[in-house]
Amino acid sequence: TQLLEQSPQFLSIQEGENLTVYCNSSSVFSSLQWYRQEPGEGPVLLVTVVTGGEVKKLKRLTFQFGDARKDSSLHITAAQPGDTGLYLCAGGRGGGGSNYKLTFGKGTLLTVNP
Amino acid sequence: GAVVSQHPSRVICKSGTSVKIECRSLDFQATTMFWYRQFPKQSLMLMATSNEGSKATYEQGVEKDKFLINHASLTLSTLTVTSAHPEDSSFYICSAKAGNTGELFFGEGSRLTVL
Repeated sequence: TQLLEQSPQFLSIQEGENLTVYCNSSSVFSSLQWYRQEPGEGPVLLVTVVTGGEVKKLKRLTFQFGDARKDSSLHITAAQPGDTGLYLCAGGRGGGGSNYKLTFGKGTLLTVNP
Repeated sequence: GAVVSQHPSRVICKSGTSVKIECRSLDFQATTMFWYRQFPKQSLMLMATSNEGSKATYEQGVEKDKFLINHASLTLSTLTVTSAHPEDSSFYICSAKAGNTGELFFGEGSRLTVL
């Protein structure tokens, strides 16, 4: 089992603050994905990174994939109450075949207070 | 983006009955679908991998006779919780794999409550 350590598990901040969520593993992943989930709904894909060192930006969100493809981070600038939710990182292994498997981190429950 | 639909979104049943949850990929074919279980404020726990036309692969600790999975077509996988008990109450989520990048698209989830 490839473990994906996600931290912090809980984060409560004030509107306007910046934050970073980390996702670390001792295993190499072919891709790493970040999801956001709201209560009672399924996770929604935010981004997929596949290249070591890759950086992707999605408005106020910046995603980075480590050079060795073992870790990733999500940075949110000037957080807003609408960013509140459960953020999940997930590492993919097995390529495009039937043995493909996605391993999820434990999630970061973010609360942005107005 | 790709759409995956789950049905029903909420179901309440009596202990001892069986419940079927459907997962459909609406605008793409999915040879592989995954079923997850999620407890409140926790991450997703993979239960099984469903491959079209073959038997599902279950994760360690998941009872295959308890959670029956059928992937009869490229757009539909079903999870049947047999002889449900209150401890089976949970949020069940499916996902379908599209393309070679490994991106997964998730259903909206199904909230099962067993009385």
